[in-house]
Amino acid sequence: DIVLTQSPDSMAVSLGERATINCKSSQSVLYGSNNKNYLAWYQQKPGQPPKLLIYWASTRESGVPDRFSGSGSGTDFTLTISSLQAEDVAVYYCQQYYSDPVFGPGTKVDIK
Amino acid sequence: QVQLVQSGAEVRKPGASVKVSCKASGYSFTNCAVHWVRQAPGQRLEWMGWINTGKGYTKYSQKFQGRVTITRDTAASTVYMEVSSLTSEDTATYYCARVKAVTGSLYFDYWGQGTLVTVSS
Repeated sequence: DIVLTQSPDSMAVSLGERATINCKSSQSVLYGSNNKNYLAWYQQKPGQPPKLLIYWASTRESGVPDRFSGSGSGTDFTLTISSLQAEDVAVYYCQQYYSDPVFGPGTKVDIK
Repeated sequence: QVQLVQSGAEVRKPGASVKVSCKASGYSFTNCAVHWVRQAPGQRLEWMGWINTGKGYTKYSQKFQGRVTITRDTAASTVYMEVSSLTSEDTATYYCARVKAVTGSLYFDYWGQGTLVTVSS
């Protein structure tokens, strides 16, 4: 089974500063036949379901602010919030869908 | 607009079963598979299984095989998830989530609001 790890576990970032979250997969989620990385990112606020931010590792979901971006390939991926806003306080999860869905442990983002 | 509306919170005793519903609207029900994901308090999201809403076939996580049953009612555009032999470790919020594909694993673009299931004697 694919295992996802995330770093850091939590972080505190000043408003307007950059936040970078890493996700590492125990095996590649790059599908050779279509050259797509089967990885998504979600944002979850307390008491709410997760919200899709990024899929195919770097495609932003419709309506998601462009300060959110995803990058990486194979086994190493990054979610970047270019300029943290107060409403971005949440837990962020990566998920692979190369095989049966698996989520990372989450990264909690707070305001410094 | 796409909506997944789940049934309300449940309390069960250990050893009992619980059945949670997820009513879909705003899209063609049989064109999108529905998955179930749970989240125990303070824990990561955990995938449980999915159903092909058109043909009705299912796939379950090995962890839940034999204890979880996912079904659907196409006339009511509703998916059901039943968990049997509940223990305190099943206390969690259960989510249904849609994938934009008839079958299989993909990213989840819409989620239900969640159903809290509490298992307590």
